[in-house]
Amino acid sequence: NAGVTQTPKFQVLKTGQSMTLQCAQDMNHEYMSWYRQDPGMGLRLIHYSVGAGITDQGEVPNGYNVSRSTTEDFPLRLLSAAPSQTSVYFCARNRTGPAYEQYFGPGTRLTVT
Amino acid sequence: AQTVTQSQPEMSVQEAETVTLSCTYDTSESNYYLFWYKQPPSRQMILVIRQEAYKQQNATENRFSVNFQKAAKSFSLKISDSQLGDTAMYFCASVITQGGSEKLVFGKGTKLTVNP
Repeated sequence: NAGVTQTPKFQVLKTGQSMTLQCAQDMNHEYMSWYRQDPGMGLRLIHYSVGAGITDQGEVPNGYNVSRSTTEDFPLRLLSAAPSQTSVYFCARNRTGPAYEQYFGPGTRLTVT
Repeated sequence: AQTVTQSQPEMSVQEAETVTLSCTYDTSESNYYLFWYKQPPSRQMILVIRQEAYKQQNATENRFSVNFQKAAKSFSLKISDSQLGDTAMYFCASVITQGGSEKLVFGKGTKLTVNP
């Protein structure tokens, strides 16, 4: 799992429900990021963090919140799930930033009905 | 907007043959980084190859090599001696600078099937 753990692996939500996708790394890397993957769209950056206490928005941040209270954990929160958020979500880590190899978790498949 | 374009949604190749996947990108940076990632059916994203734009030499990793044409903004991936395990989605990606921060942008992917 490239030193990145994501839970759950699968989740079904009803429209309007909230939930948190968990991401944890055990390599003490500063840079962590969340992507979503939709058919025919590649991966798109949702939010990222360059260290504990520092987060920023990516390409598609609307409807998602993140926080980074520790180096190890970078949870992604869906505040009020919508069918458009049906996707596969990937968390990634690396030591310094996107210019170097990203190590991806196994992904969470989320379905919103 | 800085973008990455993969013009081949699907490709197929016979085992042991060579295949080239295309990628073009758009950037205004003088130095930047380009990647090819592989996603097999297991869904795990794996780095195949990385290229730094200021390096003239094309990157290679075993059977994988790139043809980096900086002036044309082209970054194609060549897979030699294709193996069944190369069957996967392949994503081209580029680091862009936006709002003072670096971000990784992916193309839409090429689905490669290696046939026995």
